[in-house]
Amino acid sequence: NAGVTQTPKFQVLKTGQSMTLQCAQDMNHEYMSWYRQDPGMGLRLIHYSVGAGITDQGEVPNGYNVSRSTTEDFPLRLLSAAPSQTSVYFCASSLGLAVSYEQYFGPGTRLTVT
Amino acid sequence: DAKTTQPPSMDCAEGRAANLPCNHSTISGNEYVYWYRQIHSQGPQYIIHGLKNNETNEMASLIITEDRKSSTLILPHATLRDTAVYYCIVSPTDSWGKLQFGAGTQVVVTP
Repeated sequence: NAGVTQTPKFQVLKTGQSMTLQCAQDMNHEYMSWYRQDPGMGLRLIHYSVGAGITDQGEVPNGYNVSRSTTEDFPLRLLSAAPSQTSVYFCASSLGLAVSYEQYFGPGTRLTVT
Repeated sequence: DAKTTQPPSMDCAEGRAANLPCNHSTISGNEYVYWYRQIHSQGPQYIIHGLKNNETNEMASLIITEDRKSSTLILPHATLRDTAVYYCIVSPTDSWGKLQFGAGTQVVVTP
């Protein structure tokens, strides 16, 4: 299994540009989520999905859109990038919906918005 | 409002046990205690979790006090590869896996 994969690894955007961060998992996990991590801080939840076709907002959803058309993929879209969105983005997945299942994190996407 | 309190940093000698404390005085009966770690520039890695009883796996042991207001993660024989930020997280069973990360403890293992 490749686990949780994220592309791209690095990205530089100009203010106002749009882009999609890709996340995929090959473990047939129902639960997937996106976090962002600013320098020196812990991770904050952006959006999450409990299954294909079902998504919900986390702690910091503004400026981001998500959809989940398949179990495997959970892309994160930035519609109009802002410098405040400069961060490292992590995707995670877990087997079930119960919190006792451990979450597997991807390697991250480092985004800079100028 | 932070649910957990951890020291910002601690050092540990290679080969010795590392004991990482965490206070969670407002923990509810349906909340688990989770530990994750993040090695520099990588995604967080699950270590262990528990509800009431002490837990042990191949990576670490988790000791939860009887009143559940604090816990200790024990790395029995620290290695240089254990240098990382360690996060203690409390999360309710109905939170759909939403983890609330704090600042964590930066652990540096020295030779």
